[in-house]
Amino acid sequence: DADVTQTPRNRITKTGKRIMLECSQTKGHDRMYWYRQDPGLGLRLIYYSFDVKDINKGEISDGYSVSRQAQAKFSLSLESAIPNQTALYFCATSVGRVNQPQHFGDGTRLSIL
Amino acid sequence: AQKITQTQPGMFVQEKEAVTLDCTYDTSDPSYGLFWYKQPSSGEMIFLIYQGSYDQQNATEGRYSLNFQKARKSANLVISASQLGDSAMYFCAMREGYNDYKLSFGAGTTVTVRA
Repeated sequence: DADVTQTPRNRITKTGKRIMLECSQTKGHDRMYWYRQDPGLGLRLIYYSFDVKDINKGEISDGYSVSRQAQAKFSLSLESAIPNQTALYFCATSVGRVNQPQHFGDGTRLSIL
Repeated sequence: AQKITQTQPGMFVQEKEAVTLDCTYDTSDPSYGLFWYKQPSSGEMIFLIYQGSYDQQNATEGRYSLNFQKARKSANLVISASQLGDSAMYFCAMREGYNDYKLSFGAGTTVTVRA
């Protein structure tokens, strides 16, 4: 079983719709992250959370919101989706040590028409 | 300015040969770390190898090694004895200071291994 699980894996929706992407982890990590990947741009950080009560904006948070429902759950919402939010979205977790990597889920491919 | 630069958009390599993927970085912080990730066509991100700025030796993990040249600010990934399963996109990422939560990613290099 995957340690970091993202649902759904694929989603096609229309402009203006509200969308929620969910992430759950069994790694026991405190830190969780949401990234988006666009071709030619690598990954960019949307939001990150150090624990349930500590949520922070990343590089590109406009148009997104998050909720940390529990230590193991971190969801990303697009309140009113627009086509330029079409991307591959990743959830990641980490233990919070500088020499340890972030561990990624399998990604959610989101298309907004 | 770009913090991580990967200048090779795509590369071809013959099976069983070695391939070097370039990564240069830009930081003024003396403490930093460099990560390499692999992204197969299925999309997941797989951690490969880590190099800290204070590490005395170049990192190695199986067939992966990191050619770390601090003065040149480069951290090239070397994959030895390429296999068909190495065909993927590879990302270099940097952590600056002690902020483990903030990674800057390069644009990636696509590697295609030919039989």
